Amino acid sequence: ELKVEQNPLFLSMQEGKNYTIYCNYSTTSDRLYWYRQDPGKSLESLFVLLSNGAVKQEGRLMASLDTKARLSTLHITAAVHDLSATYFCAVLTGTASKLTFGTGTRLQVTL
Amino acid sequence: NAGVTQTPKFRILKIGQSMTLQCTQDMNHNYMYWYRQDPGMGLKLIYYSVGAGITDKGEVPNGYNVSRSTTEDFPLRLELAAPSQTSVYFCASSYGYGYTFGSGTRLTVV
Repeated sequence: ELKVEQNPLFLSMQEGKNYTIYCNYSTTSDRLYWYRQDPGKSLESLFVLLSNGAVKQEGRLMASLDTKARLSTLHITAAVHDLSATYFCAVLTGTASKLTFGTGTRLQVTL
Repeated sequence: NAGVTQTPKFRILKIGQSMTLQCTQDMNHNYMYWYRQDPGMGLKLIYYSVGAGITDKGEVPNGYNVSRSTTEDFPLRLELAAPSQTSVYFCASSYGYGYTFGSGTRLTVV
Protein backbone atom coordinates (compact mmCIF):
# COMPACT_ATOMS: atom_id res chain seq x y z
CA GLU A 1 0.00 0.00 0.00
CA LEU A 2 1.36 3.39 -0.97
CA LYS A 3 1.96 5.76 1.93
CA VAL A 4 2.57 9.46 1.48
CA GLU A 5 3.91 11.37 4.45
CA GLN A 6 4.28 15.10 4.78
CA ASN A 7 6.13 17.03 7.39
CA PRO A 8 5.67 19.17 9.19
CA LEU A 9 1.92 18.86 9.65
CA PHE A 10 1.70 22.41 10.93
CA LEU A 11 4.06 25.28 10.27
CA SER A 12 3.89 28.73 11.73
CA MET A 13 6.40 31.12 10.23
CA GLN A 14 7.04 34.83 10.15
CA GLU A 15 6.78 36.89 7.02
CA GLY A 16 10.09 37.10 5.21
CA LYS A 17 11.39 33.73 6.41
CA ASN A 18 12.24 30.67 4.32
CA TYR A 19 11.10 27.14 4.96
CA THR A 20 10.72 23.73 3.29
CA ILE A 21 7.86 21.23 3.37
CA TYR A 22 8.82 17.60 2.79
CA CYS A 23 6.84 14.86 1.09
CA ASN A 24 8.04 11.25 1.32
CA TYR A 25 6.35 8.37 -0.43
CA SER A 26 6.77 4.63 -0.12
CA THR A 27 6.61 3.21 -3.63
CA THR A 28 7.98 3.96 -7.05
CA SER A 29 6.38 6.85 -8.87
CA ASP A 30 7.70 9.57 -11.10
CA ARG A 31 4.65 11.78 -11.03
CA LEU A 32 3.99 14.08 -8.10
CA TYR A 33 1.54 16.94 -7.59
CA TRP A 34 1.45 19.84 -5.17
CA TYR A 35 -1.86 21.49 -4.30
CA ARG A 36 -2.95 24.43 -2.23
CA GLN A 37 -6.25 24.44 -0.34
CA ASP A 38 -7.81 27.44 1.36
CA PRO A 39 -10.39 26.82 4.12
CA GLY A 40 -13.70 25.63 2.71
CA LYS A 41 -12.37 25.62 -0.85
CA SER A 42 -11.37 23.07 -3.44
CA LEU A 43 -7.80 22.22 -4.41
CA GLU A 44 -5.73 24.59 -6.49
CA SER A 45 -3.01 22.96 -8.58
CA LEU A 46 0.45 24.41 -7.92
CA PHE A 47 2.92 22.08 -9.59
CA VAL A 48 3.06 18.83 -11.52
CA LEU A 49 6.47 17.17 -11.35
CA LEU A 50 6.91 14.62 -14.10
CA SER A 51 10.44 13.24 -13.82
CA ASN A 52 13.38 12.71 -11.55
CA GLY A 53 15.21 15.94 -10.89
CA ALA A 54 12.27 18.08 -11.97
CA VAL A 55 12.24 21.55 -10.46
CA LYS A 56 9.46 24.07 -10.91
CA GLN A 57 9.08 27.58 -9.54
CA GLU A 58 6.18 29.97 -9.33
CA GLY A 59 6.61 33.16 -7.37
CA ARG A 60 7.81 32.38 -3.85
CA LEU A 61 7.24 28.63 -4.20
CA MET A 62 9.65 26.11 -5.65
CA ALA A 63 9.03 22.37 -5.89
CA SER A 64 11.47 19.58 -6.65
CA LEU A 65 11.32 15.82 -7.10
CA ASP A 66 13.90 13.13 -6.32
CA THR A 67 12.37 9.82 -7.43
CA LYS A 68 15.34 7.77 -6.22
CA ALA A 69 14.92 9.09 -2.68
CA ARG A 70 11.11 9.10 -3.09
CA LEU A 71 11.12 12.66 -1.85
CA SER A 72 9.62 15.92 -3.00
CA THR A 73 10.13 19.31 -1.41
CA LEU A 74 8.14 22.54 -1.52
CA HIS A 75 10.36 25.47 -0.65
CA ILE A 76 8.91 28.78 0.44
CA THR A 77 11.06 31.86 -0.02
CA ALA A 78 10.42 35.07 1.90
CA ALA A 79 6.95 34.03 3.04
CA VAL A 80 4.05 36.46 2.88
CA HIS A 81 0.71 36.28 4.68
CA ASP A 82 -1.14 35.39 1.45
CA LEU A 83 0.65 32.04 1.39
CA SER A 84 -1.26 30.91 4.49
CA ALA A 85 -3.15 27.77 3.45
CA THR A 86 -2.90 23.98 3.60
CA TYR A 87 -0.51 22.37 1.13
CA PHE A 88 -0.88 18.80 -0.08
CA CYS A 89 1.40 16.58 -2.06
CA ALA A 90 -0.12 13.72 -4.03
CA VAL A 91 1.55 10.81 -5.80
CA LEU A 92 0.22 9.38 -9.04
CA THR A 93 0.07 5.60 -9.27
CA GLY A 94 -1.42 2.92 -11.47
CA THR A 95 -2.80 2.84 -14.97
CA ALA A 96 -5.87 4.84 -13.96
CA SER A 97 -3.82 7.82 -12.78
CA LYS A 98 -5.06 7.57 -9.21
CA LEU A 99 -3.74 10.06 -6.69
CA THR A 100 -2.66 9.19 -3.14
CA PHE A 101 -2.54 12.28 -0.94
CA GLY A 102 -0.41 13.23 2.01
CA THR A 103 -2.14 14.47 5.16
CA GLY A 104 -1.29 18.06 4.34
CA THR A 105 0.81 20.84 5.89
CA ARG A 106 -1.09 23.73 7.38
CA LEU A 107 1.00 26.85 6.85
CA GLN A 108 0.35 29.95 8.88
CA VAL A 109 2.37 33.04 8.00
CA THR A 110 2.28 35.67 10.69
CA LEU A 111 2.82 39.37 10.15
CA ASN B 1 -16.15 25.62 -20.33
CA ALA B 2 -17.43 24.69 -16.85
CA GLY B 3 -14.84 21.98 -15.98
CA VAL B 4 -16.11 19.64 -13.23
CA THR B 5 -19.46 20.55 -11.71
CA GLN B 6 -20.72 19.04 -8.47
CA THR B 7 -24.17 19.32 -6.95
CA PRO B 8 -25.33 19.93 -4.31
CA LYS B 9 -22.74 22.09 -2.54
CA PHE B 10 -24.13 21.35 0.90
CA ARG B 11 -26.44 18.69 2.28
CA ILE B 12 -27.59 17.47 5.68
CA LEU B 13 -28.81 13.88 5.81
CA LYS B 14 -30.39 11.91 8.59
CA ILE B 15 -28.93 8.54 9.54
CA GLY B 16 -30.31 5.86 7.24
CA GLN B 17 -31.30 8.22 4.41
CA SER B 18 -29.90 7.86 0.91
CA MET B 19 -28.74 10.40 -1.60
CA THR B 20 -26.84 10.82 -4.85
CA LEU B 21 -24.03 13.28 -5.30
CA GLN B 22 -23.91 14.47 -8.87
CA CYS B 23 -20.73 15.10 -10.88
CA THR B 24 -20.47 16.13 -14.50
CA GLN B 25 -17.54 17.23 -16.63
CA ASP B 26 -17.46 18.85 -20.05
CA MET B 27 -13.82 18.19 -20.98
CA ASN B 28 -14.37 14.74 -22.51
CA HIS B 29 -12.02 13.18 -19.95
CA ASN B 30 -12.10 9.39 -19.76
CA TYR B 31 -10.93 9.16 -16.15
CA MET B 32 -13.13 10.29 -13.30
CA TYR B 33 -12.79 9.94 -9.52
CA TRP B 34 -14.55 10.43 -6.23
CA TYR B 35 -12.49 11.43 -3.20
CA ARG B 36 -13.53 12.24 0.33
CA GLN B 37 -11.76 14.60 2.69
CA ASP B 38 -12.25 14.31 6.43
CA PRO B 39 -11.40 17.31 8.65
CA GLY B 40 -7.67 17.98 8.84
CA MET B 41 -6.84 15.14 6.47
CA GLY B 42 -5.85 14.54 2.90
CA LEU B 43 -8.17 13.16 0.26
CA LYS B 44 -8.93 9.45 0.05
CA LEU B 45 -10.12 7.71 -3.11
CA ILE B 46 -13.60 6.18 -2.93
CA TYR B 47 -14.25 5.00 -6.51
CA TYR B 48 -12.89 5.70 -9.94
CA SER B 49 -13.79 5.11 -13.57
CA VAL B 50 -11.62 4.80 -16.66
CA GLY B 51 -14.50 5.18 -19.09
CA ALA B 52 -18.21 4.78 -19.59
CA GLY B 53 -19.40 1.47 -18.15
CA ILE B 54 -16.15 0.81 -16.23
CA THR B 55 -15.80 1.53 -12.52
CA ASP B 56 -13.61 0.22 -9.73
CA LYS B 57 -13.13 0.56 -5.98
CA GLY B 58 -10.63 2.86 -4.42
CA GLU B 59 -9.27 2.92 -0.88
CA VAL B 60 -12.54 3.59 1.01
CA PRO B 61 -15.52 2.26 -1.03
CA ASN B 62 -17.70 0.83 1.74
CA GLY B 63 -21.12 2.46 1.95
CA TYR B 64 -20.96 3.93 -1.56
CA ASN B 65 -21.87 2.98 -5.09
CA VAL B 66 -21.14 4.56 -8.46
CA SER B 67 -22.19 4.25 -12.07
CA ARG B 68 -20.80 5.66 -15.29
CA SER B 69 -23.30 5.48 -18.13
CA THR B 70 -21.82 8.43 -20.06
CA THR B 71 -18.40 10.01 -20.37
CA GLU B 72 -19.71 13.20 -18.78
CA ASP B 73 -21.45 11.95 -15.64
CA PHE B 74 -20.18 10.04 -12.62
CA PRO B 75 -22.73 10.07 -9.76
CA LEU B 76 -21.91 8.78 -6.27
CA ARG B 77 -24.68 7.05 -4.36
CA LEU B 78 -24.81 6.84 -0.56
CA GLU B 79 -27.10 4.15 0.76
CA LEU B 80 -28.10 4.13 4.44
CA ALA B 81 -26.10 7.20 5.45
CA ALA B 82 -24.00 6.93 8.61
CA PRO B 83 -22.28 9.63 10.73
CA SER B 84 -18.91 8.27 9.52
CA GLN B 85 -19.81 9.52 6.05
CA THR B 86 -19.81 13.13 7.22
CA SER B 87 -17.12 14.59 4.99
CA VAL B 88 -16.38 16.79 2.03
CA TYR B 89 -16.65 14.95 -1.27
CA PHE B 90 -14.65 15.95 -4.31
CA CYS B 91 -15.19 14.72 -7.83
CA ALA B 92 -12.30 14.95 -10.29
CA SER B 93 -11.50 14.11 -13.87
CA SER B 94 -8.19 13.66 -15.62
CA TYR B 95 -6.60 13.31 -19.02
CA GLY B 96 -2.94 12.44 -19.10
CA TYR B 97 -1.37 14.21 -16.13
CA GLY B 98 -3.86 17.04 -15.85
CA TYR B 99 -6.31 16.76 -13.00
CA THR B 100 -9.40 18.95 -12.54
CA PHE B 101 -11.30 18.98 -9.26
CA GLY B 102 -14.85 20.07 -8.63
CA SER B 103 -15.74 22.57 -5.92
CA GLY B 104 -16.86 19.86 -3.49
CA THR B 105 -20.00 18.75 -1.66
CA ARG B 106 -20.06 19.22 2.10
CA LEU B 107 -22.18 16.42 3.60
CA THR B 108 -23.25 16.15 7.21
CA VAL B 109 -25.02 13.04 8.52
CA VAL B 110 -26.93 13.56 11.76
